Amino acid sequence: DVKVTQSSRYLVKRTGEKVFLECVQDMDHENMFWYRQDPGLGLRLIYFSYDVKMKEKGDIPEGYSVSREKKERFSLILESASTNQTSMYLCASSLQSSGNTIYFGEGSWLTVV
Amino acid sequence: GENVEQHPSTLSVQEGDSAVIKCTYSDSASNYFPWYKQELGKRPQLIIDIRSNVGEKKDQRIAVTLNKTAKHFSLHITETQPEDSAVYFCAASRSFGNEKLTFGTGTRLTIIP
Repeated sequence: DVKVTQSSRYLVKRTGEKVFLECVQDMDHENMFWYRQDPGLGLRLIYFSYDVKMKEKGDIPEGYSVSREKKERFSLILESASTNQTSMYLCASSLQSSGNTIYFGEGSWLTVV
Repeated sequence: GENVEQHPSTLSVQEGDSAVIKCTYSDSASNYFPWYKQELGKRPQLIIDIRSNVGEKKDQRIAVTLNKTAKHFSLHITETQPEDSAVYFCAASRSFGNEKLTFGTGTRLTIIP
């Protein structure tokens, strides 16, 4: 079974704090993604990565950055958290040869107060 | 970029009846269309997908149809059961490998016992 693990399920942070969301996958997938899920807006892509040290902006990258130093790990960084970044964050991964089937982590609920 | 619209946003059906969820996409080059199911508090998981070289695909009580000319695809669930209650997301992408998925906004399906 593919396993995508997000280290923090629930976080509460203060406005202006720097926030790190970590994601690890154990299936040697080349592609990794960070999505944000909000009611009525579906799953919106923040950033993705095809390879180590590579990153591409998704649809809503503003206010976020990412890091991929190792193939299995993809981190999402909120440089200065704001209340409008309160959301569910989903990490995902896929093989480049798999026809885009992506596997999601359990999600991280972030509340910024 | 790709834009995926999904309807309806909520759907309630009597147990045993059929449910249909529809999506339209904008990029005529899209050729991969998966559907994900997200149960309450859980991660989205792939339930069925279709590629542009076929018009219909079935897996037990679930089927997906694709009309490339009209740029729409639909999920059909027959003989609905309480465990079908979930949020369903459609998605589209251009090709295999390292193309990103664009998701619809989701449909909350409720099965009424």
